Amino acid sequence: GQQLNQSPQSMFIQEGEDVSMNCTSSSIFNTWLWYKQDPGEGPVLLIALYKAGELTSNGRLTAQFGITRKDSFLNISASIPSDVGIYFCAGRNAGNMLTFGGGTRLMVKP
Amino acid sequence: SAVISQKPSRDICQRGTSLTIQCQVDSQVTMMFWYRQQPGQSLTLIATANQGSEATYESGFVIDKFPISRPNLTFSTLTVSNMSPEDSSIYLCGGAHNTGELFFGEGSRLTVL
Repeated sequence: GQQLNQSPQSMFIQEGEDVSMNCTSSSIFNTWLWYKQDPGEGPVLLIALYKAGELTSNGRLTAQFGITRKDSFLNISASIPSDVGIYFCAGRNAGNMLTFGGGTRLMVKP
Repeated sequence: SAVISQKPSRDICQRGTSLTIQCQVDSQVTMMFWYRQQPGQSLTLIATANQGSEATYESGFVIDKFPISRPNLTFSTLTVSNMSPEDSSIYLCGGAHNTGELFFGEGSRLTVL
C-alpha cells in the first residue's frame, strides 16, 4: 500500500522557536490533512489542503500542499508550551483512501 | 468541524472477553470509520462502517474479530472480540464530511490483562 514518510520523528525545541515538519510520498495525493494529538485525546484536525501549491494558515500554523502533489509541510511559528503533542499528516488519494504518516512528536522547553 | 462522541473513554478488560465501543456523530457526517492506534504508533484503518450493511474491512482485519454495526447515519459500534493483550490500543471513531475532512472522537483506550 501507499506509504507516507513523515519527518522528523521527534523534535525538542526551545519556546519561541519556529518548527517545520514534512511528509513525502512516492504517490500522488488529492488532499493533505494535518492533525495534532494531545496525550489521551483523539487527533484534532488543524489544516486541510485541497490543491497543489495551496498555502493555508491557521493562526501560527502554516501548511502547504506540494506542487508535485507528493509532499506537504507544516510550519509552526513562535512555538509555545501548549504546542507539545504529536502531529500527523494524512494524504488522500484518488481512490479516496486516507494514509497517515508516522507522526512527529514535538516537545517544547519553556 | 464535526462532533463525535465515543464511549467508553477507557476500559480494562480480561483476556477472552469482548468489549463494544459506541460512536455517535452529528448529522453532517457522511462516512464513518474505525481506526486503531497502538501505543506510540500512527493510526491504522480497521474498517469503513457502512449504513445498514456489512462494514468494509482493511487487510489484516476480519469481521469475526472486529464486528461493526452502523444501524443509522449517526451511530456505529465496534466490538473487539475474544480480547488478548495484543488488542490493547486506542480505538478511534472517525467521521468524514463530503469535503473529505476527517474528524475523530476522543478515542477509547483499551487495556487487556
